[in-house]
Amino acid sequence: AQKITQTQPGMFVQEKEAVTLDCTYDTSDQSYGLFWYKQPSSGEMIFLIYQGSYDEQNATEGRYSLNFQKARKSANLVISASQLGDSAMYFCAMRGYYLMNTGFQKLVFGTGTRLLVSP
Amino acid sequence: SQTIHQWPATLVQPVGSPLSLECTVEGTSNPNLYWYRQAAGRGLQLLFYSVGIGQISSEVPQNLSASRPQDRQFILSSKKLLLSDSGFYLCAWSQAGKMNTEAFFGQGTRLTVV
Repeated sequence: AQKITQTQPGMFVQEKEAVTLDCTYDTSDQSYGLFWYKQPSSGEMIFLIYQGSYDEQNATEGRYSLNFQKARKSANLVISASQLGDSAMYFCAMRGYYLMNTGFQKLVFGTGTRLLVSP
Repeated sequence: SQTIHQWPATLVQPVGSPLSLECTVEGTSNPNLYWYRQAAGRGLQLLFYSVGIGQISSEVPQNLSASRPQDRQFILSSKKLLLSDSGFYLCAWSQAGKMNTEAFFGQGTRLTVV
């Protein structure tokens, strides 16, 4: 079974500093994808970044980068130069490979980390 | 472009009343569809997923059911709501067979059972 663990219920960072949000995962699949989403207080889920299990380089999207360590089964999100608008819940998620050749991939989420950026 | 619609945005229902939340997707065909529930300040719990019309899989036993009467329509229902059904419900879709594409979420429905 797939499992995502986010051990940091809350994180604080000062504006313009970098912050790392931790994510570890457990899966028996050889091929899988890892995602990070941001959820502001409005509730919408905003996709941030994706990392494939066979990608050799860490993914980057603007100020977001994913520190992928496959052997340790970790996929930490790094936000550089934090902004006040980064204050939100952040979720790590994993998608496994095909289920019975249906093309379906179950998307499982962690419990999230609440990030607060202070001026 | 693809869009996902979910309604209503908020709902207050008495215990024992029925529930129907609807989600529709535009601009794609044969999507994978998901229903998630998020308790206040918590993570997303996968409730149901569907790979095609009439094909529903349930992740957890509960008071809810789901149906997919059309390719791009996903409905979450209950015959009699419980207080514990309160929460934030999110519908999502993703492309079938595509590992590296994200899931797209609706705006969510905040359900309060009183």
